[in-house]
Amino acid sequence: DAGVTQSPTHLIKTRGQQVTLRCSPISGHKSVSWYQQVLGQGPQFIFQYYEKEERGRGNFPDRFSARQFPNYSSELNVNALLLGDSALYLCASSSAGAISYEQYFGPGTRLTVT
Amino acid sequence: DAKTTQPNSMESNEEEPVHLPCNHSTISGTDYIHWYRQLPSQGPEYVIHGLTSNVNNRMASLAIAEDRKSSTLILHRATLRDAAVYYCILRRNSGGSNYKLTFGKGTLLTVNP
Repeated sequence: DAGVTQSPTHLIKTRGQQVTLRCSPISGHKSVSWYQQVLGQGPQFIFQYYEKEERGRGNFPDRFSARQFPNYSSELNVNALLLGDSALYLCASSSAGAISYEQYFGPGTRLTVT
Repeated sequence: DAKTTQPNSMESNEEEPVHLPCNHSTISGTDYIHWYRQLPSQGPEYVIHGLTSNVNNRMASLAIAEDRKSSTLILHRATLRDAAVYYCILRRNSGGSNYKLTFGKGTLLTVNP
């Protein structure tokens, strides 16, 4: 089975622009979470979606938004990009149910803001 | 979220056991102890988790102190492929926010051939 896939792999944007990152979870997984990983730091939680509803939000500004589609894929949108948004954006999926423990991460999208 | 403390880095030799420590003195009764690792240029990978009892799986063992204020991830025979950043994470079993993982900086494990 395919793992979590993310697109694009790399992206270069200019300050002030908007970006959309995409994630396809493992087949059968209904929960998708997004994380931001700045160089040298651990990943920081941005959002979690389960059954197309937002179930958690990290300490990120409103410029960050996300949604989950009926097929459980997800998009992360970032508006008005800042230099500090340069990071690796990771998507993780998990199977349904509150007792699911493992999260499966994709390879990430490397965003560079110039 | 309860905080974890890990050494910044550790070094091991190939085929020797590795013990990666983690302190979590403010752990609560509903916090599970999770370990993930991140190989270079990859997303994090689940390793193991536990609540109170020691746990074993094909990748590693998790030893949890009786007071749960510390734990140790044990790699029984390190290989070069085990070189990664290892994250010790406390995950609260609290319904809707169950999926959030709070990562610290982790421990960078170097494995020497």
